[in-house]
Amino acid sequence: AQSVAQPEDQVNVAEGNPLTVKCTYSVSGNPYLFWYVQYPNRGLQFLLKYITGDNLVKGSYGFEAEFNKSQTSFHLKKPSALVSDSALYFCAVRDIDSSASKIIFGSGTRLSIRP
Amino acid sequence: NAGVTQTPKFRVLKTGQSMTLLCAQDMNHEYMYWYRQDPGMGLRLIHYSVGEGTTAKGEVPDGYNVSRLKKQNFLLGLESAAPSQTSVYFCASSTRRQDLYEQYFGPGTRLTVT
Repeated sequence: AQSVAQPEDQVNVAEGNPLTVKCTYSVSGNPYLFWYVQYPNRGLQFLLKYITGDNLVKGSYGFEAEFNKSQTSFHLKKPSALVSDSALYFCAVRDIDSSASKIIFGSGTRLSIRP
Repeated sequence: NAGVTQTPKFRVLKTGQSMTLLCAQDMNHEYMYWYRQDPGMGLRLIHYSVGEGTTAKGEVPDGYNVSRLKKQNFLLGLESAAPSQTSVYFCASSTRRQDLYEQYFGPGTRLTVT
């Protein structure tokens, strides 16, 4: 079965510093991986995805993610954090046993950027 | 485009009461989903639909029913609410194009069952 793990419940970073939110995956076959962001009292918004190709994927709001097959990781990164990046971040993976574009979400990591 | 909308935004129910949550999307998406979000557990799929008139169970379907009579609408029903169903409910939709896969989410419904 496919799954993703987000080992950190919370990540705290000072504004202007680089940030990393970690995600590891477990899939059979080639993974389709995603990052979503949830701002307070809002639904989830798509940030970026990896399907194939370049291991460094660029997404919305200056975020990027690095796919690492040997480490089965898909960490979310940003070179310089903003206070407005504070939100809940979810890593997700395609459910390859499904024909309905189902995806499986991690438990989420709360990112807090201090001024 | 409104995207994905959900009604109501908030609701408080007493144990045993029933209610229906409505999800509507204007993107002509084939697939629609209902999730619940609980602290520390991410999003869990309740039911989903691959097209008008079809529904299927997700990871946590017990206590819920769904219907998709029109392509743009997906209803989630609670026949007899229980405190364990206190949660935030999200609807999402996606195209069936396999190269896209992104899901688009509504703003959520916060349900409290007392």
